[in-house]
Amino acid sequence: AQTVTQSQPEMSVQEAETVTLSCTYDTSESDYYLFWYKQPPSRQMILVIRQEAYKQQNATENRFSVNFQKAAKSFSLKISDSQLGDAAMYFCAYRIAYNNNDMRFGAGTRLTVKP
Amino acid sequence: DSGVTQTPKHLITATGQRVTLRCSPRSGDLSVYWYQQSLDQGLQFLIQYYNGEERAKGNILERFSAQQFPDLHSELNLSSLELGDSALYFCASSLGLAGGVTDTQYFGPGTRLTVL
Repeated sequence: AQTVTQSQPEMSVQEAETVTLSCTYDTSESDYYLFWYKQPPSRQMILVIRQEAYKQQNATENRFSVNFQKAAKSFSLKISDSQLGDAAMYFCAYRIAYNNNDMRFGAGTRLTVKP
Repeated sequence: DSGVTQTPKHLITATGQRVTLRCSPRSGDLSVYWYQQSLDQGLQFLIQYYNGEERAKGNILERFSAQQFPDLHSELNLSSLELGDSALYFCASSLGLAGGVTDTQYFGPGTRLTVL
């Protein structure tokens, strides 16, 4: 069974600093996708970044980047130049490439940004 | 704004009652997914519809049902409500094509259900 583990229930970062959120997953599949979603206090689920497992290059979206280590089944999110608006719950998610209805979410990491 | 809309935003009801949650997918998306997010749990996949037909079921209780209409909006029906059904219910939509990273799910703002 595919599982997603976020080992950090809470993290904090100083404004303008960099923080890395961890995520590991367990799968026997070779083709899959990984996602980071952000859930601010408004509770909206917002897609932050996504990664195709077949791509060796790490995905980046402005201040957000990932460190994808396929062999280690690790998918961490790095937030650079943290802003107050980055404060939110962050969920790591996984799904098999050919099955778009079986997305698995981690338990989430609550990120606090200190001014 | 993801383009997915959900109504109502908040719903307060009593145990034993029945409620209907509504979702309109992004323009062009054929798949709709329903998730439940309880305080002590992460997001749990409930059910998926694709172009009007049920495609997959997850951890959905028998008291819950859903449907997708010809205009592609979807409704999640929750009946015989219990205290434990209090949660945030999300709808997500995607193009619905098999596989492909472009078939990313985009989430609506959620409906917060409180059962008293």
